Amino acid sequence: DGGITQSPKYLFRKEGQNVTLSCEQNLNHDAMYWYRQDPGQGLRLIYYSQIVNDFQKGDIAEGYSVSREKKESFPLTVTSAQKNPTAFYLCASSLNRDYQSIGTQYFGPGTRLTVL
Amino acid sequence: AQSVTQPDIHITVSEGASLELRCNYSYGATPYLFWYVQSPGQGLQLLLKYFSGDTLVQGIKGFEAEFKRSQSSFNLRKPSVHWSDAAEYFCAVDHSGGYQKVTFGTGTKLQVIP
Repeated sequence: DGGITQSPKYLFRKEGQNVTLSCEQNLNHDAMYWYRQDPGQGLRLIYYSQIVNDFQKGDIAEGYSVSREKKESFPLTVTSAQKNPTAFYLCASSLNRDYQSIGTQYFGPGTRLTVL
Repeated sequence: AQSVTQPDIHITVSEGASLELRCNYSYGATPYLFWYVQSPGQGLQLLLKYFSGDTLVQGIKGFEAEFKRSQSSFNLRKPSVHWSDAAEYFCAVDHSGGYQKVTFGTGTKLQVIP
């Protein structure tokens, strides 16, 4: 089955620690994204990557870092510089190859990060 | 700045009743428009999308949406709601011509009562 997996589903972190959230897709999609979701605020874009070894900052990139060394993987690191990291994190991917696929994103099940 | 407005934070409807969820966007040209649904603790699933052409688009699970350029709206509708439709619904706008810059609305949470 093709899809996007995120792990772990729940993650607890102590203040001052960095933590890495995993996102893997086997859809052969070119583009991948990371969003943060907070109650009442919808989804906000953290980082996105259109191709391997290239990524761009989204609207709220401060305190986060990413890498895109492989097409199928786009891990997100929440650093200690992120002031309020407790949130639900969603990873997505899209094909963006033709008229039908452009703009359509497929989402993983999410990781809920809690800072203790 | 581009924006997406979902004016209803929470809507309650009876099972079998019709549903309309509102979405307005602010953008100079016609963007790509989407509706996504999210069940509690889960990721988002695409319901439908509009790029061009027929302004009434059909999606999965019996949903449809109508693009009205004059009102900058893209409202989601369903003629008869089922209890399984209870979820949060997000309108989204791609104002970059399909190249990643997607803005999501703040969501409308739908409650369905028997």
